[in-house]
Amino acid sequence: LAKTTQPISMDSYEGQEVNITCSHNNIATNDYITWYQQFPSQGPRFIIQGYKTKVTNEVASLFIPADRKSSTLSLPRVSLSDTAVYYCLVGDMRTGANNLFFGTGTRLTVIP
Amino acid sequence: EAGVTQFPSHSVIEKGQTVTLRCDPISGHDNLYWYRRVMGKEIKFLLHFVKESKQDESGMPNNRFLAERTGGTYSTLKVQPAELEDSGVYFCASSLGQDRRNSPLHFGNGTRLTVT
Repeated sequence: LAKTTQPISMDSYEGQEVNITCSHNNIATNDYITWYQQFPSQGPRFIIQGYKTKVTNEVASLFIPADRKSSTLSLPRVSLSDTAVYYCLVGDMRTGANNLFFGTGTRLTVIP
Repeated sequence: EAGVTQFPSHSVIEKGQTVTLRCDPISGHDNLYWYRRVMGKEIKFLLHFVKESKQDESGMPNNRFLAERTGGTYSTLKVQPAELEDSGVYFCASSLGQDRRNSPLHFGNGTRLTVT
């Protein structure tokens, strides 16, 4: 079960690009990297998922180096509504869900 | 499309009482999961249903917790009798398939349970 390490908190000004890095040194061959976002009083919301290199969608980009021991979630031009907790999860996504370890997440605060 | 809905949003009960939480997954999602975050700790897996069958209940803490999904639609999680350490937020999630590379989990907003 690959565990992750992320910064506990980050602050950013509106309009800036935010990069949140997650370390997962013991990631296994079949593990994927998934990021979730959670607002207060809501459940986690899927943002992006990847296995290697770069993945981009309408919300974020995910950069994964060749050794896959870390990953970086990139949020372009953040707004106040991006203030949330961001979780990096690593696990075998093919079956089951008992291998998703949420950890403490990174609390992002966007400042006007 | 309606998301995953959970009821109630909040519940306050006394130690020793019984509480039943309900989850309605996204229509058509065969896979339903329960997670919880107890005070000060991380979100942790409880169990996974595929339709009405329990696929994995390795995260259930003890036999005071009973999850059901009769008919493969909505699910209930009963805590009987409730203890103080059961206080926390209980999340339900659903997914279309089991392969989460192309079928991510969709979470509800959770039920905040307080046991006094």
